[in-house]
Amino acid sequence: AQSVTQLGSHVSVSEGALVLLRCNYSSSVPPYLFWYVQYPNQGLQLLLKYTTGATLVKGINGFEAEFKKSETSFHLTKPSAHMSDAAEYFCAVSHGSSASKIIFGSGTRLSIRP
Amino acid sequence: EAGVAQSPRYKIIEKRQSVAFWCNPISGHATLYWYQQILGQGPKLLIQFQNNGVVDDSQLPKDRFSAERLKGVDSTLKIQPAKLEDSAVYLCASSLARLAPDTQYFGPGTRLTVL
Repeated sequence: AQSVTQLGSHVSVSEGALVLLRCNYSSSVPPYLFWYVQYPNQGLQLLLKYTTGATLVKGINGFEAEFKKSETSFHLTKPSAHMSDAAEYFCAVSHGSSASKIIFGSGTRLSIRP
Repeated sequence: EAGVAQSPRYKIIEKRQSVAFWCNPISGHATLYWYQQILGQGPKLLIQFQNNGVVDDSQLPKDRFSAERLKGVDSTLKIQPAKLEDSAVYLCASSLARLAPDTQYFGPGTRLTVL
C-alpha cells in the first residue's frame, strides 16, 4: 500500500529565506510523486511531478523537488520565499498500475513572515 | 481555457437532509474525480469516472453517497442522508485521460457544513 508522510503541519519562514517542506513516501513499486499547492478557498494546483528520469524536478513559481529513492523522500524547496507563497502544500504519490489514483499527504501550511 | 467549475461554493444543511453538488470538467477531459477533503487533511478520492463509466468507487460510502456522470461530461455527487462527519470540502478534478500520470486539474470545491 502506498502512503505519504509530510513532516510538520505548519512551517513558518521569513520572506527571502529558504523554504523546505518535507515529504516521505511508502511504495512497494516505483512511485510517481507530486506536489500540489492550495491557496485559501481554491482548489489544488500542480506545482511539479516526478515520473521517471532526472531526479531533480523543477516546477512553477521557482519551486523544485528532488526524488531520493534511498531516503524515500521527495522534499520541496525554494531558495527565496515570497509572501505570495503562503498556502497549503500537499505531497502525493501514485504508481504505475493505478497511476491516476493519487494518495495525498495531510498537508503542510506555509506561512511567510515579513 | 476554462477551468473545472463547481457549484454551489458553500452549502449548509442539517443532518439527515440531502444535498447535491455539481461539477463541469474541462472540455475534452475524459476522466473526472470527486474528492472529499476534511479540515486538516489531504483530499481523499471518493470516485473516479472514465467518460460515463465508474473506474474506482472503492472509498465511496455507498449507503449514503451516490454519483453519476451522464453523457460523460457533467457530474453530480449526492449525499442522502447527510451526517455530521460529512462536513468537508468536496473537490472535483478532471484529466485528459486515465494514463499515468496525467495531470489532474481541480475545481474550487464546495464547502459543506452539516449541523
